Amino acid sequence: GAGVSQSPSNKVTEKGKDVELRCDPISGHTALYWYRQRLGQGLEFLIYFQGNSAPDKSGLPSDRFSAERTGESVSTLTIQRTQQEDSAVYLCASSARSMNTEAFFGQGTRLTVV
Amino acid sequence: RKEVEQDPGPFNVPEGATVAFNCTYSNSASQSFFWYRQDCRKEPKLLMSVYSSGNEDGRFTAQLNRASQYISLLIRDSKLSDSATYLCVVNRWTGNTPLVFGKGTRLSVIA
Repeated sequence: GAGVSQSPSNKVTEKGKDVELRCDPISGHTALYWYRQRLGQGLEFLIYFQGNSAPDKSGLPSDRFSAERTGESVSTLTIQRTQQEDSAVYLCASSARSMNTEAFFGQGTRLTVV
Repeated sequence: RKEVEQDPGPFNVPEGATVAFNCTYSNSASQSFFWYRQDCRKEPKLLMSVYSSGNEDGRFTAQLNRASQYISLLIRDSKLSDSATYLCVVNRWTGNTPLVFGKGTRLSVIA
């Protein structure tokens, strides 16, 4: 079956522009996570969605970052007025809502702000 | 204190060596535990789940110590292909965000 799909795989944008990153979770997975990973660094939690519950936005670094998800489907992460420090790989993961289930990751979007 | 802590390494070991990583977690309500592997410039992938009784998968052994709140990963007979970053993951089940990832431990296996 299909895994987690992210698009685009690579994005180069000019400083100050807005970008939108997309994540298609595994069908039936109610939980969806966004992470940021800078070069050589660990995963940095951004936001978590669970079904129709209010998302946990506690990891969003600034108000330039926002994310949406409708129900249990596609999610988009939007970065407004991009800065060079936003350059990173943005990873999306989904999981079933179960105590012993693992998360499955997409291949990520590599964002470069020039 | 971070909720999930790992020694970042790097651990540089020769081929054939045995190497062990520990990971500590602070939330005693945590319910399930995993080790992920992340290769350079790739996404993390599940290596193995960690069960209370300990579990083994080939050269890899994972153990959980709930009393001391740590999990471990043992790799025997290291291969060059084991070189990667190993991420400890805790499912705390409760709270806003169930899965919490450690920052990872880097392993380099040298010929």
